[in-house]
Amino acid sequence: QKEVEQDPGPLSVPEGAIVSLNCTYSNSAFQYFMWYRQYSRKGPELLMYTYSSGNKEDGRFTAQVDKSSKYISLFIRDSQPSDSATYLCAMSSPNQGAQKLVFGQGTRLTINP
Amino acid sequence: DVKVTQSSRYLVKRTGEKVFLECVQDMDHENMFWYRQDPGLGLRLIYFSYDVKMKEKGDIPEGYSVSREKKERFSLILESASTNQTSMYLCASRVGQQETQYFGPGTRLLVL
Repeated sequence: QKEVEQDPGPLSVPEGAIVSLNCTYSNSAFQYFMWYRQYSRKGPELLMYTYSSGNKEDGRFTAQVDKSSKYISLFIRDSQPSDSATYLCAMSSPNQGAQKLVFGQGTRLTINP
Repeated sequence: DVKVTQSSRYLVKRTGEKVFLECVQDMDHENMFWYRQDPGLGLRLIYFSYDVKMKEKGDIPEGYSVSREKKERFSLILESASTNQTSMYLCASRVGQQETQYFGPGTRLLVL
């Protein structure tokens, strides 16, 4: 079993829809959670960073962490065609050497105009 | 803004060639990382470095080596390229003990 599981999709939704992207994990020591966005043929760019449990909002994006369920989510409101990309979750624990990140496989998202 | 650059966007090499991939960051970050990204497998860590001349193996170091002679530069070396090393290679850097890593644009390597 992988440490981090993420549905690779693809996920296709109409413009304006609310998008929900999710990851589950097995390592209860994870405390740092990130979402990266990766456009086609580009490197990943950091979108959201959350420490421990709770919600974090940044514009149209909301990141949620539920440590009791070992489940994290990224919500995109009022989705735009420019949000079409692959979204990667990543996480780490204070105990991992040099705080290595463990990545999900990535979910490919398409927003249709 | 953090800037991580990689020497080539696309590279085509032949089996058995020695390949150098270079990564430079301009933010004085201590930590630098090399990943490869393959469909269905996600990002896998090859090597990382937490200081000049210091390196540690990641999850898939076989067939690769690294060099970090200066703080801003981290090189990935394929000693004898093989077709199963065809992949997207991503470099990342991070300041100190912060969790977030900043990625370069990637190098698409094709080994024929």
